[in-house]
Amino acid sequence: GNSVTQMEGPVTLSEEAFLTINCTYTATGYPSLFWYVQYPGEGLQLLLKATKADDKGSNKGFEATYRKETTSFHLEKGSVQVSDSAVYFCALMNTGFQKLVFGTGTRLLVSP
Amino acid sequence: EAGVTQFPSHSVIEKGQTVTLRCDPISGHDNLYWYRRVMGKEIKFLLHFVKESKQDESGMPNNRFLAERTGGTYSTLKVQPAELEDSGVYFCASSQVSGETNEKLFFGSGTQLSVL
Repeated sequence: GNSVTQMEGPVTLSEEAFLTINCTYTATGYPSLFWYVQYPGEGLQLLLKATKADDKGSNKGFEATYRKETTSFHLEKGSVQVSDSAVYFCALMNTGFQKLVFGTGTRLLVSP
Repeated sequence: EAGVTQFPSHSVIEKGQTVTLRCDPISGHDNLYWYRRVMGKEIKFLLHFVKESKQDESGMPNNRFLAERTGGTYSTLKVQPAELEDSGVYFCASSQVSGETNEKLFFGSGTQLSVL
């Protein structure tokens, strides 16, 4: 079956620190991979995506590379800001299907 | 352009009562999805409408849950009778019909349901 595993939080960092949130997946077929973010009081927003091996998704300083050999899609940012505090969800969608499979979410707390 | 709207934003009910959640998708979006996150766990798919038809309802947990989308516009999700384990955040999402798997989904801010 399809599943996504991401690191448990909360992840607590100081402003300007380097961020990594790990995500690995199990899938039948060749999925597309996503990172969604939920800021406090808001809905889920697509942060970035990658549709094939070695693709790098990027947005707002965040990056993630689709690694087929390690079935991973780790989220990174070189310098976090307080405004990045949110819950981050890794997800996959298999080709031919129109439903997302999410991980459990990782809460990021960034302090000044 | 208005986004996906869900209401209520919060609902607190007692076990055994009935609750109806509503989702208004973005105008013109034929695809409408319901997801839920229970007890801080992963967000799980519930079902998918294309216009007024249920395309995939494989994630509906049991027959206490009834989703409708009359006229292919807004959708309701009714839980009757509600149980404690139904507590969680219910998300709605919509997208345009594109025929592609990776079409962008637009999510609402969710309904926080608490069953006491």
